[in-house]
Amino acid sequence: DAKTTQPPSMDCAEGRAANLPCNHSTISGNEYVYWYRQIHSQGPQYIIHGLKNNETNEMASLIITEDRKSSTLILPHATLRDTAVYYCIVRVATNAGKSTFGDGTTLTVKP
Amino acid sequence: EAGVAQSPRYKIIEKRQSVAFWCNPISGHATLYWYQQILGQGPKLLIQFQNNGVVDDSQLPKDRFSAERLKGVDSTLKIQPAKLEDSAVYLCASSGVAGGRTDTQYFGPGTRLTVL
Repeated sequence: DAKTTQPPSMDCAEGRAANLPCNHSTISGNEYVYWYRQIHSQGPQYIIHGLKNNETNEMASLIITEDRKSSTLILPHATLRDTAVYYCIVRVATNAGKSTFGDGTTLTVKP
Repeated sequence: EAGVAQSPRYKIIEKRQSVAFWCNPISGHATLYWYQQILGQGPKLLIQFQNNGVVDDSQLPKDRFSAERLKGVDSTLKIQPAKLEDSAVYLCASSGVAGGRTDTQYFGPGTRLTVL
């Protein structure tokens, strides 16, 4: 079973920020939060990950609550090309870590 | 840098037939993963290799599915015999030191299997 819970779908207006929530109340101390997205007919693509501090890269920002039981992925200026399924997973940050994907959130960016 | 390559991209077979999928990971990546993704669901890990050894195959239906990674590079996933419920996209991913963080998985485009 997936260790994370995400809303099945969300809409966002083009140019606005998209905030995608994820609950991971059973996260262990050595597990990181990872976000991937999957555009139709493609393989999942890595976006960002973090342990307990907020993280930002050229694609997105990741906000993790202090108790680490939930997080939010922020796409600051959503475009139509950001329409995809977004997956939040928790895993240890080694090659031996196992990624258990849930069903993700389908984000639809509308003009 | 070349990504993860998979072939074929599409395959249609009849139930009880056999099928094989091929994956070439990113050069230098030690870890290789095979996932099954049924329409409308997230990817489900079937098997994980570290070099040519199996790390996790707990969700691989071993009565009909097999996978190997000879020489720790390319990998093949086989289904024999196929069932209707095997219709899915089969994704290959790799991770390793070369080309990025050791824990970041890079996915191939997948093979879409339809069993009739």
